[in-house]
Amino acid sequence: GAVVSQHPSWVICKSGTSVKIECRSLDFQATTMFWYRQFPKQSLMLMATSNEGSKATYEQGVEKDKFLINHASLTLSTLTVTSAHPEDSSFYICSARRIGAIVNSPLHFGNGTRLTVT
Amino acid sequence: AQTVTQSQPEMSVQEAETVTLSCTYDTSESDYYLFWYKQPPSRQMILVIRQEAYKQQNATENRFSVNFQKAAKSFSLKISDSQLGDAAMYFCAYGSEGGSRLTFGEGTQLTVNP
Repeated sequence: GAVVSQHPSWVICKSGTSVKIECRSLDFQATTMFWYRQFPKQSLMLMATSNEGSKATYEQGVEKDKFLINHASLTLSTLTVTSAHPEDSSFYICSARRIGAIVNSPLHFGNGTRLTVT
Repeated sequence: AQTVTQSQPEMSVQEAETVTLSCTYDTSESDYYLFWYKQPPSRQMILVIRQEAYKQQNATENRFSVNFQKAAKSFSLKISDSQLGDAAMYFCAYGSEGGSRLTFGEGTQLTVNP
């Protein structure tokens, strides 16, 4: 089956530093990937849509200068949390759909990245 | 904007029994998709079942079935013959743009008692 890998699985960083999270489709190509954020015991909130070769589309209320998204290839999207602060501590999850997949075909989710900012 | 509401933060069921999880949504779109996802403690999102809004027939996947009431904007999940492995957080999700752009409900934590 299609696999989406996120790296790292967990990361601890100091306040003020930046951290990069990778979302990689291992056995398929994806022109579009999605980034979600999940606080403890809460739902997933869509942060942005990552488009290969073009700018990401951010949801209302998400700071694009703080959460930099780059979709440099058909198998890799990265989310960089810049100048991280403790309130950015969360679980970040990506998802992707295979190129050419029919409408409503399943999205494939990554295993998530737990970010802790101290 | 679409909204998804799950009014049951927690539910419990005895092993082998049946449980129904509720979900309502609000939208002005006519073309959309609905999903139930399961998130075990590993946090991996697992698709349980999906429903196309244009289909009147309720989707079923083995022990999992939905009751889709389009006019009422209701999309409940029924789990039959509950198993210990069904214990997880369940999220109802609304999918627009071909089902790729998802809006999730708040989730229902399901406990299965032996």
